[in-house]
Order: sequence, then C-alpha cells, then structure tokens
Amino acid sequence: AQSVTQLDSQVPVFEEAPVELRCNYSSSVSVYLFWYVQYPNQGLQLLLKYLSGSTLVESINGFEAEFNKSQTSFHLRKPSVHISDTAEYFCAVGAGSARQLTFGSGTQLTVLP
Amino acid sequence: GAVVSQHPSRVICKSGTSVKIECRSLDFQATTMFWYRQFPKQSLMLMATSNEGSKATYEQGVEKDKFLINHASLTLSTLTVTSAHPEDSSFYICSARKVGGVETQYFGPGTRLLVL
Repeated sequence: AQSVTQLDSQVPVFEEAPVELRCNYSSSVSVYLFWYVQYPNQGLQLLLKYLSGSTLVESINGFEAEFNKSQTSFHLRKPSVHISDTAEYFCAVGAGSARQLTFGSGTQLTVLP
Repeated sequence: GAVVSQHPSRVICKSGTSVKIECRSLDFQATTMFWYRQFPKQSLMLMATSNEGSKATYEQGVEKDKFLINHASLTLSTLTVTSAHPEDSSFYICSARKVGGVETQYFGPGTRLLVL
C-alpha cells in the first residue's frame, strides 16, 4: 500500500513571492507521482506528473516539481506566484497493478495581494 | 485533449430517492474509470474502480448495493446512489484513464449531491 503526506494544510503567500508545497510519499513499489489543482466547486486538473526519466518536471504555468527518490518527496515549487494560483493543491501517487491513485490531504494555497 | 464530463453538476433530492450520476469521456476511450467522494475541505477518497464490461471493484467500506456502478461503454460510466440519505451528501468526482494510455487520470468537474 502507498500513502501520501502533505505537510502543510494552508500556505499563505504574497503575490510574486516564491512558494513550495511539500509532498512526501511511501510505497513499496515503483510509483508515479502527480500534482493536481482544484479550484472551488470544480474537479481536479492535472498540473504535472512524474512517470519516469528526468526527475524535474514542469507545468505550462510556471510550476515545477522534483522527484527525489532518496527522500521520497515530490515537492511543488513556483518562483513567483500570482493571485490566480490561489487554489487547493493535491499530491497523488499511483502504484500497483490497478494504478489507483492515493491522494494527500491537500494544501490550500492562498496568494495575497 | 482529454475531457471528462459529469452530469448533473448539482442535484438536490429527498431522502429515500435514488440519484444517477453520469461520467463521460468526450474525446477519448477509457478502459478504466474511477469514482471518488470528497467531503468539504478534505481529500478525495476512492470509492470504486470501474472497467468497461466488467463489475466494479469497490474499496473497503463502500457499500456496493448502495453505490451501483455501471460501465457499459468505453466512454460512459454511471454511479447510482440508491435510497439516498443525508449522510450521502457529498461531492462526487469521476476520472478516466485512456485506452492504452499511461498512468494519468483525467477528472470530471464533479457532482454536488445534497440529500434533504
């Protein structure tokens, strides 16, 4: 079985400041890692994913995450946030034959003007 | 693209009635669809995994007779909440994985169910 821990439930940050949302996972098998973003009353949108290859993955809107196998982490970073980045962010791990996703508890990112 | 729709987006029903929620993959075929439940300010909890043409696999603690799942085609899965009660009120989200695709799940916009 696998599990995901998002250490921060709330992260307030000022506009144009950098941000890091932390995610740690545990699994006994190889994993696939994802970050999803959820805006109020909406479903989840895929932000970025790590399947294999380069451990640094990037999204089209400036977010990046680095897979660190030794630290079992997949932290999400952005060097300069915008008001529009305010949302709930979920880290998820996929593993096992059914490729089900296990989600972390989520981090509410609030960007302040 | 990979678009998943859900219908209805919001439903209010009386206690004891049944509610059907549809999940459709609009521009791709999905061998596997997943149904999740999300309580306010909480994470997504997987309810069941649905494969086209076969019975759904339910997670521990999810009543299969209460949450009926049908995956009749490669683009449609339905979740029926039978004899709904107020405690079934929640946000239900489906996701779909492409035929022959890798591990990515594409999520629908969710259905907000309120049982009075």
